[in-house]
Amino acid sequence: QVQLVQSGAEVKKPGASVKVSCKASGYTFTSYYMHWVRQAPGQGLEWMGIINPSGGSTSYAQKFQGRVTMTRDTSTSTVYMELSSLRSEDTAVYYCASGDSGYDPFFDYWGQGTLVTVSS
Amino acid sequence: EIVMTQSPATLSVSPGERATLSCRASQSVSSNLAWYQQKPGQAPRLLIYGASTRATGIPARFSGSGSGTEFTLTISSLQSEDFAVYYCQQYNNWPLTLTFGGGTKVEIK
Repeated sequence: QVQLVQSGAEVKKPGASVKVSCKASGYTFTSYYMHWVRQAPGQGLEWMGIINPSGGSTSYAQKFQGRVTMTRDTSTSTVYMELSSLRSEDTAVYYCASGDSGYDPFFDYWGQGTLVTVSS
Repeated sequence: EIVMTQSPATLSVSPGERATLSCRASQSVSSNLAWYQQKPGQAPRLLIYGASTRATGIPARFSGSGSGTEFTLTISSLQSEDFAVYYCQQYNNWPLTLTFGGGTKVEIK
């Protein structure tokens, strides 16, 4: 069965960077695009971008261009999302997510979420 | 950017009753729309994609309809486990971007 396991909660100061990991199992890692979605406390869902684990190509939401970097390590079946120049508005739960067919732009599989708190 | 607007923000329904949730797109998204359910402290769960196709394992009491700019999620007979927040998501201009609605909370009346 497909499992996405994310790294633990983080507390960061404004201006710092955070790197969240998402380890995949139960399927061929390079066959499923991976997305990142975030959710601020009490708020809705916001798509951040996507990475193709096969070649490493990425596409980011315009809002995060220049601040987000998504990478992958095929040897450990892990994708990473790094967000820089953190501000208080970046406090949120960050999810990795993937679709069942590999390229679907909707999400059957989700990680458990990683809470990132930005506070001075 | 395509803006997704959900209504109402909160829906109070008694168990066993029918719930009808709306999602409107600022421009046509064809049938490229998905619905999710989210319970407190959990990741979202995919219910519907392609506006009307139930995801694997989703009970038949959940149904989706609509195309273009107007969409509806119907829960035919609310069960206790259905009280949650529901989000719509468009993927019409994929791979440029994906956008979610603001959510509808379905609460016990």
